[in-house]
This record gives sequence, structure tokens and C-alpha cells, in this order.
Amino acid sequence: GEDVEQSLFLSVREGDSSVINCTYTDSSSTYLYWYKQEPGAGLQLLTYIFSNMDMKQDQRLTVLLNKKDKHLSLRIADTQTGDSAIYFCAEKGGYQKVTFGTGTKLQVIP
Amino acid sequence: SQTIHQWPATLVQPVGSPLSLECTVEGTSNPNLYWYRQAAGRGLQLLFYSVGIGQISSEVPQNLSASRPQDRQFILSSKKLLLSDSGFYLCAWEEGNSPLHFGNGTRLTVT
Repeated sequence: GEDVEQSLFLSVREGDSSVINCTYTDSSSTYLYWYKQEPGAGLQLLTYIFSNMDMKQDQRLTVLLNKKDKHLSLRIADTQTGDSAIYFCAEKGGYQKVTFGTGTKLQVIP
Repeated sequence: SQTIHQWPATLVQPVGSPLSLECTVEGTSNPNLYWYRQAAGRGLQLLFYSVGIGQISSEVPQNLSASRPQDRQFILSSKKLLLSDSGFYLCAWEEGNSPLHFGNGTRLTVT
């Protein structure tokens, strides 16, 4: 089956940039997503990118997609304590099935 | 605009008791509906999905079942809960090529 992998943990200082990485295996991915989950809450869609795009920027968030290497990253500029959460990468494949990574826990140190 | 409601937010049930979790979506027609479980730790496990009324696909064999009695209503059930059913249950919807949108989840503790 399809696989999406992320590192489990990232720690950054407040004000620095955070970069969360993700790799996937599905060569027929159509969309790639980033979700944020705060403690006890559901998943909140942060941003997404079409597979034919290389980059998308939305305020403090920058998504980079390297389709050749099947690598997706999320950069959060000027990281704040409110950005502390678990971030999930997900991809929608050729059969419209969405596969999620295991999530990266971002800890922001004041 | 579209909204998704899940309830209850938390639930504590004894082993062997029945379960019914409900999810409704507003502001859309004929959405695809999903039930996920997030066990302690991180990963999301797809349990069921539905592309229409009465159409349910199960991803993994288990103690749970799902039903879709109305277009925008998705119900997760069990006749007899097991300890291993404890977890965080998330309902989600999508329409066409839109991303998945999640409800706020139900924290189920089976004692």
C-alpha cells in the first residue's frame, strides 16, 4: 500500500523558522495536504498543494514539493508558541484515497 | 459554508456496552464521509468510508460498524465494546476534489 513518512518530533525556538518534512511513495498523488492537530482537537487543514505545483505560500506558511523525490515540506516562518501542535502530512492518490503520515510533534520553546 | 458536527465530545463506557457516535455535515450534498480512529500516539487509521446513503466500505475488520441513514449523517456503532476500542474517533467529509475536513473528534474510553 501507499506510505507517508514523517519524523516524529521537532523542537524550535520561538521566532525561528520550522521545517517539517514528509516523504511519500504514491507516484500518482494528485493533492498533498498539511493538517494541524492541537491537543484534544480534530485535524485542521492548514494548506494543500496540487501535485503539478512546486511551491505554495500562504502568509507564514510555505509548502515545497519535489515530485521527483516525492518529498514535501512545510516551513513555518517566525514560529510562535501557538504553533505547537502535531502536524500531519497527507496525500490523495490515484484512487482518491487519502493516506496520512504519523504526524510530527512541533515543540516551540519560548 | 460547510460545517461538520460530531458528538459526544467525550464518552466513558464499560466493556460490553453498546456504542453510537454520530456525525452530521451541513452545507453540502452527497459528501464522501469517513470515520478514522487515532489510538494513543499518533497515526490515523481509516475505519469506514461512505460515498452515498447506505453505501459503506470497511477498511479493517473489527468490532465496529457504520451506517449512513441520511445523506449527511454518518454513525459509528458497536454492539459490545472492547477495551481495545478506546481511542479518539474522528469523522471527516469531502466533496469532489476538496480536501478532507474533520470534526472535533470523540474521545472514547472503555473501562
